Amino acid sequence: QVQLVQSGAEVKKPGASVKVSCKASGYTFTAYYIHWVRQAPGQGLEWMGWISANSGDTTYAQNFQGRVTMTRDTSINTAYMELSSLTSDDTAIYYCARDNMCGGVSCPDYWGQGTLVTVSS
Amino acid sequence: QTVVTQEPSLTVSPGGTVTLTCASSTGAVTSGYYPNWFQQKPGQAPRALIYSTSNKHSWTPARFSGSLLGGKAALTLSGVQPDDEADYYCLLYYGGAQPWVFGGGTKLTVL
Repeated sequence: QVQLVQSGAEVKKPGASVKVSCKASGYTFTAYYIHWVRQAPGQGLEWMGWISANSGDTTYAQNFQGRVTMTRDTSINTAYMELSSLTSDDTAIYYCARDNMCGGVSCPDYWGQGTLVTVSS
Repeated sequence: QTVVTQEPSLTVSPGGTVTLTCASSTGAVTSGYYPNWFQQKPGQAPRALIYSTSNKHSWTPARFSGSLLGGKAALTLSGVQPDDEADYYCLLYYGGAQPWVFGGGTKLTVL
């Protein structure tokens, strides 16, 4: 069965960076894209970007340009999202989600359990 | 910046029918925006319900349906159950430098 298992909760100080991992299993990792989405406390979902697990090509949301880096390691079927220059506004749950090709069109289907990142001095 | 707008909250009675909508600041939502819908319950990750306007995932209950309605994407729940109480988010595809944008979400109360 398809599973995305994310790394554990993190506490970071303002100005630091955080790197969240998303380990995939149950499918061919390189055949799909991985989305990254975040959710601040009590707020809605925010799309951050995506990465092709095959080529490593990335597209980042404008709000995160210059601060986010998405990578993947195909040898261990794992995608990563690194966010730098953290502020308290980056306190959120970060999710990864697989992008399937449902009937030939992009569709996020399976999601990781989420990783809570807390930014506090 | 593109804004995707949903009703902040809706209330429906058990067994009733409710329609949630998803509008784009760029104009009418068409099938080319490949609307996706997700359900999220407190403390849980989102769960995919609908993709490409009206297509259901294998796990999506039959009472959920997606469509285009009056220039918006729509999610209709028929025969609502108490377990359907949750937040619902739409996701639209714009391509280019900002491919995907989520709506602000609708909090659905079953009362």
